[in-house]
Amino acid sequence: RKEVEQDPGPFNVPEGATVAFNCTYSNSASQSFFWYRQDCRKEPKLLMSVYSSGNEDGRFTAQLNRASQYISLLIRDSKLSDSATYLCVVNRYQAGTALIFGKGTTLSVSS
Amino acid sequence: GAVVSQHPSWVICKSGTSVKIECRSLDFQATTMFWYRQFPKQSLMLMATSNEGSKATYEQGVEKDKFLINHASLTLSTLTVTSAHPEDSSFYICSASTNYGYTFGSGTRLTVV
Repeated sequence: RKEVEQDPGPFNVPEGATVAFNCTYSNSASQSFFWYRQDCRKEPKLLMSVYSSGNEDGRFTAQLNRASQYISLLIRDSKLSDSATYLCVVNRYQAGTALIFGKGTTLSVSS
Repeated sequence: GAVVSQHPSWVICKSGTSVKIECRSLDFQATTMFWYRQFPKQSLMLMATSNEGSKATYEQGVEKDKFLINHASLTLSTLTVTSAHPEDSSFYICSASTNYGYTFGSGTRLTVV
């Protein structure tokens, strides 16, 4: 079983749509959880950290369920600039240990 | 703060030659550096974890004699792809954990011809 698994995508949506990405992780020892964004094989950029209480940053909402080892990302009112690959990422163990990346889900927002 | 400078950005080399990739921490001390590679349409795969002054820890399936990692100082970690072959063509990227979170180099696109 892969350490981090994501929806395969791609997701093709019109501007203004709401889109949700899901992710599961296998290591219950993971302590930190993130969503990263990657454009055209550049370095990944942190989109947001994910907390058990859920957190929101503008149009982006992330949720974590540690019991089921499930992470989600919701993007509301999609913009053309949201087109990218979204990577679900977890620490292998405690903070400061290696980040383990999911395969990524590609989002394409069209006008 | 917390910038990692990675060089070169891209490199083309002949099959059988070796290529060195450098990652320098510019404004912090990187005790640990993580090395990843990414094949087309795949995610970043952890290759190894390097610790300053000690041997790197390699992930299962990564050949330590082919991918030489040196972390001799707190500001420099290097990855050398030895006797490169076309199947080693990939995007290689380093990352360090800092007080501000994780920071990434800009990546090196290696093409072996």
